[in-house]
Amino acid sequence: QQQVKQSPQSLIVQKGGISIINCAYENTAFDYFPWYQQFPGKGPALLIAIRPDVSEKKEGRFTISFNKSAKQFSLHIMDSQPGDSATYFCAASKAAGNKLTFGGGTRVLVKP
Amino acid sequence: GAVVSQHPSWVICKSGTSVKIECRSLDFQATTMFWYRQFPKQSLMLMATSNEGSKATYEQGVEKDKFLINHASLTLSTLTVTSAHPEDSSFYICSARVSGQGEHFGSGTRLTVV
Repeated sequence: QQQVKQSPQSLIVQKGGISIINCAYENTAFDYFPWYQQFPGKGPALLIAIRPDVSEKKEGRFTISFNKSAKQFSLHIMDSQPGDSATYFCAASKAAGNKLTFGGGTRVLVKP
Repeated sequence: GAVVSQHPSWVICKSGTSVKIECRSLDFQATTMFWYRQFPKQSLMLMATSNEGSKATYEQGVEKDKFLINHASLTLSTLTVTSAHPEDSSFYICSARVSGQGEHFGSGTRLTVV
């Protein structure tokens, strides 16, 4: 059973555009939702994370939007740059530090 | 801060041999580390949770006798792939829990069994 569903699987965006990745979860016990960025041949790097007590969190060009009633959260990458080309994973856990359940990943390509 | 170092970054071994992968927390103590496996263009699959000073907790379907995990200190966990076969070829990644910050990942190890 896939507890965190991520879409789209891949995304192409022009430089300067907005990349939007969506995730939906099933387990209402989840209360920690991080996003990771992974470059080929490297481990994932934590980008930004949110808890369900807030509806939005912004760090630089990255914004998480969270909809608790819909059990959905999304990552927005503003002013996308070619260096943002990577695979992005959403994840969820019952608390920060408990084991993570990952989404399937989204490969983002930013064209110059 | 919160640097997780993983070594080696890549390794090629012959079928039937064993390979050890190290995961170190460089600037913090990690009571819990996690080991993942990732196939090309796929997501991360949790293999086991490594707890300092106690036995690892393996996910369903992961052979504990094949993937030996040792977490003897607060800064080091090791994964040993025993009697490796070509189907064990994969990208293995460790992570460490950082209090209040969630998980930080190592750079991964590409294992190729020939």
